[in-house]
Amino acid sequence: AQSVTQPDIHITVSEGASLELRCNYSYGATPYLFWYVQSPGQGLQLLLKYFSGDTLVQGIKGFEAEFKRSQSSFNLRKPSVHWSDAAEYFCAVGAETMDSNYQLIWGAGTKLIIKP
Amino acid sequence: DSGVTQTPKHLITATGQRVTLRCSPRSGDLSVYWYQQSLDQGLQFLIQYYNGEERAKGNILERFSAQQFPDLHSELNLSSLELGDSALYFCASSGGLGELFFGEGSRLTVL
Repeated sequence: AQSVTQPDIHITVSEGASLELRCNYSYGATPYLFWYVQSPGQGLQLLLKYFSGDTLVQGIKGFEAEFKRSQSSFNLRKPSVHWSDAAEYFCAVGAETMDSNYQLIWGAGTKLIIKP
Repeated sequence: DSGVTQTPKHLITATGQRVTLRCSPRSGDLSVYWYQQSLDQGLQFLIQYYNGEERAKGNILERFSAQQFPDLHSELNLSSLELGDSALYFCASSGGLGELFFGEGSRLTVL
């Protein structure tokens, strides 16, 4: 069955430090991969997506993610975090179901805390 | 702005009551998804509609129902409300195989 694992429930990073949020997935075919961000009290906003091609994808707000097929991973990175990056981050896999429907399979989310 | 509109943004009601949440998808998107997000359960998929037809069901309680109208807007009906139904309810729309676009959510508080 398809699944998405975000192993870190919380991550604390100092402002200006680099960030990597982990995401592992289980899916039989080449997946569509997404990272979304949710600021407190807000909806989910798409940060970036991978469908095919270059395995390093650039997103909004200075984020990037790398698709590694051999590791079934799609980790999110940012070289230098800002206090405004404090939010919850969700990884998702787009999967076609057995009845030809399309669903996003979601990770549990990682809450990013920024230390001043 | 995702192009997905949800109303109301906030709703406070009492146990046992019934509420309706409304969602207008992005122009041209045929799929509408409903999610519930609470502190202890995370983001839970409830139900999906595609062009007026129910397409997939997730963890949706029998007290909850939804529909999608010919103009593609959708409504989520929550009845016999319990304290535990307090949550953020999100609607998202999609045009096909790709990303979902989320509304800002409806925050339901059941007292």
